[in-house]
Amino acid sequence: DVKVTQSSRYLVKRTGEKVFLECVQDMDHENMFWYRQDPGLGLRLIYFSYDVKMKEKGDIPEGYSVSREKKERFSLILESASTNQTSMYLCASSLVGDTSTDTQYFGPGTRLTVL
Amino acid sequence: RKEVEQDPGPFNVPEGATVAFNCTYSNSASQSFFWYRQDCRKEPKLLMSVYSSGNEDGRFTAQLNRASQYISLLIRDSKLSDSATYLCVVNNDRGSTLGRLYFGRGTQLTVWP
Repeated sequence: DVKVTQSSRYLVKRTGEKVFLECVQDMDHENMFWYRQDPGLGLRLIYFSYDVKMKEKGDIPEGYSVSREKKERFSLILESASTNQTSMYLCASSLVGDTSTDTQYFGPGTRLTVL
Repeated sequence: RKEVEQDPGPFNVPEGATVAFNCTYSNSASQSFFWYRQDCRKEPKLLMSVYSSGNEDGRFTAQLNRASQYISLLIRDSKLSDSATYLCVVNNDRGSTLGRLYFGRGTQLTVWP
């Protein structure tokens, strides 16, 4: 079974703090993704990575950065947390290949509250 | 225009009912199609892939109409455990291997006893 783990289930931070969200997958997947999910807005892609040290902006990258130093680990960084970044953050991974292998596997999510 | 559009519902149906969800996608070059299920406060999980010929998995049937850019999910004999949000998902990468998927906002289903 594919396993995607996220460092925290719940996190509370203060405005202006630097926040690190970690994601690890154990299936040797090349692709990794960070989403945020908010009521009424669905899943929105923040950043993704298709290889070590590679990154691509998603639809809402502002206020975020990412790091992929090892294949199994993809970190999301909030340089200076703001209250509008309070959300559920979901990490996912998938295999590179033909389109039939595009299935993404999600971690359990981190519910971040910024006060 | 959003890549994937779904009726958000909510759909409230009794046990045993048949319920259908629909979804449209904007990019005619899309190659892969999925339905994901998300339980309350949980992560999305793959329910089933959708193939051009249509496919069935037990009580669940998925259909794809490429000409109309339309995907459907039919659930027969609904169970209480089917209560969840169903996400329509499409790949728009025109055959590349980047694997980016586009998610609809989800359709909420509640099955009542």
